Amino acid sequence: GAVVSQHPSRVICKSGTSVKIECRSLDFQATTMFWYRQFPKQSLMLMATSNEGSKATYEQGVEKDKFLINHASLTLSTLTVTSAHPEDSSFYICSARPRTNEETQYFGPGTRLLVL
Amino acid sequence: AQRVTQPEKLLSVFKGAPVELKCNYSYSGSPELFWYVQYSRQRLQLLLRHISRESIKGFTADLNKGETSFHLKKPFAQEEDSAMYYCAVQPGGTSYGKLTFGQGTILTVHP
Repeated sequence: GAVVSQHPSRVICKSGTSVKIECRSLDFQATTMFWYRQFPKQSLMLMATSNEGSKATYEQGVEKDKFLINHASLTLSTLTVTSAHPEDSSFYICSARPRTNEETQYFGPGTRLLVL
Repeated sequence: AQRVTQPEKLLSVFKGAPVELKCNYSYSGSPELFWYVQYSRQRLQLLLRHISRESIKGFTADLNKGETSFHLKKPFAQEEDSAMYYCAVQPGGTSYGKLTFGQGTILTVHP
């Protein structure tokens, strides 16, 4: 089955540092990957859509300079939280849409970020 | 803007009882509706989508465009159904693939 991985699974960093989160489709190519954010006991909120070889499109209210997205290949998208602050602490989840079946998307296990 | 409402944060039933998880949406056009499930310590996974009109693990969901609802139902709940359930809406066109999720309902099925 289609598997999406995220690395790291959890990360703790100091305020002001940058953190990179990777999202990989392990056994399929993904033309599109999505990045979501989930606050405790709340729903998933779409942050941005990442398309291979082009700039990401961000949802309203999401700072593109704060959350840098790179989709350099058909199996990898990265989200970099720049100059992280405690309010950026959250659960970040990616999903990937297969090139051969664009009607579905598979979710990663999520990355828990804690900024001290 | 599209909106998905799941009015119940928590829902508890006993094993063998019928269960209905409510979902209402607000969206112009013809969106596609989904139910996703997240079991304890597992990732989010698709349970069913309205266009396929299939039954997965005994669950069904009927899209009612008049009431803009997409309630998830199962006639006889099982303990292994205990999980977090999210209703989601996907628009078409250039926004294809972008999901708007409801707040989620935690279903607990007691033995």
